[in-house]
Amino acid sequence: EADIYQTPRYLVIGTGKKITLECSQTMGHDKMYWYQQDPGMELHLIHYSYGVNSTEKGDLSSESTVSRIRTEHFPLTLESARPSHTSQYLCASSGGGNEQFFGPGTRLTVL
Amino acid sequence: RKEVEQDPGPFNVPEGATVAFNCTYSNSASQSFFWYRQDCRKEPKLLMSVYSSGNEDGRFTAQLNRASQYISLLIRDSKLSDSATYLCVVTLSGYALNFGKGTSLLVTP
Repeated sequence: EADIYQTPRYLVIGTGKKITLECSQTMGHDKMYWYQQDPGMELHLIHYSYGVNSTEKGDLSSESTVSRIRTEHFPLTLESARPSHTSQYLCASSGGGNEQFFGPGTRLTVL
Repeated sequence: RKEVEQDPGPFNVPEGATVAFNCTYSNSASQSFFWYRQDCRKEPKLLMSVYSSGNEDGRFTAQLNRASQYISLLIRDSKLSDSATYLCVVTLSGYALNFGKGTSLLVTP
């Protein structure tokens, strides 16, 4: 079983709030990723990181930002949440191979 | 054209049936191929990698045809617990996976 954790699992907040979604992995993986997925829809890559101090934007434009100060930690921040940010956010990591292991996700609702 | 195209589904099959999913990819330089399974409102989980020689894991068989750029997944003796969405996944450069939209499978008693 993959050891990748996300908190909170569920979050309901009001418009304009700043939020940080946490993602941690204990597998020592260099590469980490953030995906966004709406119900019944496909996954979209929004951010990824090759390692400490490396961050890149993914295929889907996102107003969120990420940081990678420690190998095991890859938080995602929204400075001012809006209803359009309502979605599920999935964090993943990968090691030497290309297989990615996913966290349980954070389901975000912005009112 | 999307990088990865999958059978639209949904597939409704009776318990015990054999079901096959196909997936095509557009970039001939793609390097790695996977099938993931995603249950409703859950995270995707790696089902199996797909190798050029084909590979089998219990009731599941995956095959890759590089010349035709398609990947298949065969499930034999379907179980109720196989009901899920199956995602075809392809990687080009090794950093990011291209996910198909997924094919929904419902196995009925």
